[in-house]
Amino acid sequence: GENVEQHPSTLSVQEGDSAVIKCTYSDSASNYFPWYKQELGKRPQLIIDIRSNVGEKKDQRIAVTLNKTAKHFSLHITETQPEDSAVYFCAANHFGNEKLTFGTGTRLTIIP
Amino acid sequence: GAVVSQHPSRVICKSGTSVKIECRSLDFQATTMFWYRQFPKQSLMLMATSNEGSKATYEQGVEKDKFLINHASLTLSTLTVTSAHPEDSSFYICSADQGNTIYFGEGSWLTVV
Repeated sequence: GENVEQHPSTLSVQEGDSAVIKCTYSDSASNYFPWYKQELGKRPQLIIDIRSNVGEKKDQRIAVTLNKTAKHFSLHITETQPEDSAVYFCAANHFGNEKLTFGTGTRLTIIP
Repeated sequence: GAVVSQHPSRVICKSGTSVKIECRSLDFQATTMFWYRQFPKQSLMLMATSNEGSKATYEQGVEKDKFLINHASLTLSTLTVTSAHPEDSSFYICSADQGNTIYFGEGSWLTVV
């Protein structure tokens, strides 16, 4: 089955700086890679996703890059703000198969 | 967007009792729903796939007789934790797909005392 690794497990960033979280996956058939933000005790919120037919996607301060050859994808948050503090999870699956394999999570702390 | 709702959001039960958690798709039909478990400070781990009108598919290591899943309609899946033990205390969350987007329920905190 799919195995998703995520690094780092914790990340502290000064407000206004950029944050980068990286994930690798094992199943070359995976073709859908969402990123979720989860606040304590709440459901994961989809913040951005990418499908394997593109290498990069951007939405305002958030961007995701995908390297299919190396089987890794990254989340980039620019101009970080205190409200970006949360736990972020990457995930992978086959498009059309709703079963997600999650990474281990990154606790992001934005330092005011 | 599509909404998936879970109930209850929090439940406390005594050891040895059973507790049922409901997952509903409010404005769409879902032939398949997924149940995840999340222990504190850990990731979401898939427990089982709930299939409308047929048996659930369990992930390796998940006891099907302990975590009973019923998907009797296209908008409702239930997870029953039977003979609950303190180690079953966790955050349980369901998901469903609509329009190629995965939606999560609000999650249910289970505390077994």
